[in-house]
Amino acid sequence: ETGVTQSPTHLIKTRGQQVTLRCSSQSGHNTVSWYQQALGQGPQFIFQYYREEENGRGNFPPRFSGLQFPNYSSELNVNALELDDSALYLCASRGLYTGELFFGEGSRLTVL
Amino acid sequence: TQLLEQSPQFLSIQEGENLTVYCNSSSVFSSLQWYRQEPGEGPVLLVTVVTGGEVKKLKRLTFQFGDARKDSSLHITAAQPGDTGLYLCAGDGANNLFFGTGTRLTVIP
Repeated sequence: ETGVTQSPTHLIKTRGQQVTLRCSSQSGHNTVSWYQQALGQGPQFIFQYYREEENGRGNFPPRFSGLQFPNYSSELNVNALELDDSALYLCASRGLYTGELFFGEGSRLTVL
Repeated sequence: TQLLEQSPQFLSIQEGENLTVYCNSSSVFSSLQWYRQEPGEGPVLLVTVVTGGEVKKLKRLTFQFGDARKDSSLHITAAQPGDTGLYLCAGDGANNLFFGTGTRLTVIP
């Protein structure tokens, strides 16, 4: 139990559609990051938010965007879905004192 | 681009055997973490190593950070079926973690 919850757990979309994935992290954890994990791969960093501002971004195109809200929830939005976007999307919040990352169980996206 | 390479990619062993998983990089990291991920779940932190040459033990798991802080190893003694999972190393970047390719371990009863 990490205190990080994600929704939905599974979803199927078609190419060209848009998707919003949600994450709720522990109270007080004001840093949240999102990772993409393709099948058989390690997670790849998408971006990080700190106090509702993006403060780090990996090698992902602008159609991947995010939001962080004051209530410690956040969203990952992906526009113009492509087949290669099929993956497990992980949200992680950073512990206030230890810096440890706590991951949610992920949202598995399938793009057909 | 994967900065961290793990080997082996897949490992299937009998219960009671010992094993070592390796994590190698050409980059220096200020710290390195090891995670275990089970199907349908997110990665869970096992250990963080910070000092070059550091060795940390967690019950039957022994973690070592290379002297140059570019590589690490995870050794499991007397593996048990409950050790089955995906083992990931991750180097600490400025605002993110760089994850390795992962080692999928299966321990057969």
